[in-house]
Amino acid sequence: KAGVTQTPRYLIKTRGQQVTLSCSPISGHRSVSWYQQTPGQGLQFLFEYFSETQRNKGNFPGRFSGRQFSNSRSEMNVSTLELGDSALYLCASSDASGGNNNEQFFGPGTRLTVL
Amino acid sequence: AQSVTQPDIHITVSEGASLELRCNYSYGATPYLFWYVQSPGQGLQLLLKYFSGDTLVQGIKGFEAEFKRSQSSFNLRKPSVHWSDAAEYFCAVGAAGGGNKLTFGTGTQLKVEL
Repeated sequence: KAGVTQTPRYLIKTRGQQVTLSCSPISGHRSVSWYQQTPGQGLQFLFEYFSETQRNKGNFPGRFSGRQFSNSRSEMNVSTLELGDSALYLCASSDASGGNNNEQFFGPGTRLTVL
Repeated sequence: AQSVTQPDIHITVSEGASLELRCNYSYGATPYLFWYVQSPGQGLQLLLKYFSGDTLVQGIKGFEAEFKRSQSSFNLRKPSVHWSDAAEYFCAVGAAGGGNKLTFGTGTQLKVEL
């Protein structure tokens, strides 16, 4: 099976713009989670989608949003970008067959730089 | 709320030496615990996980971890480190209440000296 893919891999935006990142999970996986990784804050959970519904949400402002499509692909959107949004955004998928805390497979990430 | 502490930010070991990376967690019930490894410019790869049962867990690449409830610890070990093990290692705990939400430690950067 192909792994988790994320597009684009690199992105440069300016403050105030918005951005959309895409994640394609492993075939058959219905859970997609998003994480933000920065040198200062480390790895932080953004949100999880399962069967097109947001199942968990981290402590991020409303500028961060996401959605999941019927084919399990997911997008996350960040509006009104701030310099502090510069980070590596990681997507992880899980087959969620066991319900909770299943093994998550991570993609390579999208490196977002906000100027 | 759950939390994870990795006390060592950087660790340097010689190739062939043994390795132990420390992880302490805070969680109200039986935790779901994970160790991930991240190479530069890459995503995270799962090394091993603990859900229940045997407290000594075997993982990939020769790694193992031991769950000690009395010490709230889940330390990662490897008997003989290879140069290719140089990477950043993250301990994580799974959330209560359903779903797939991980709380990560701050990571330990491992350097291997030849």
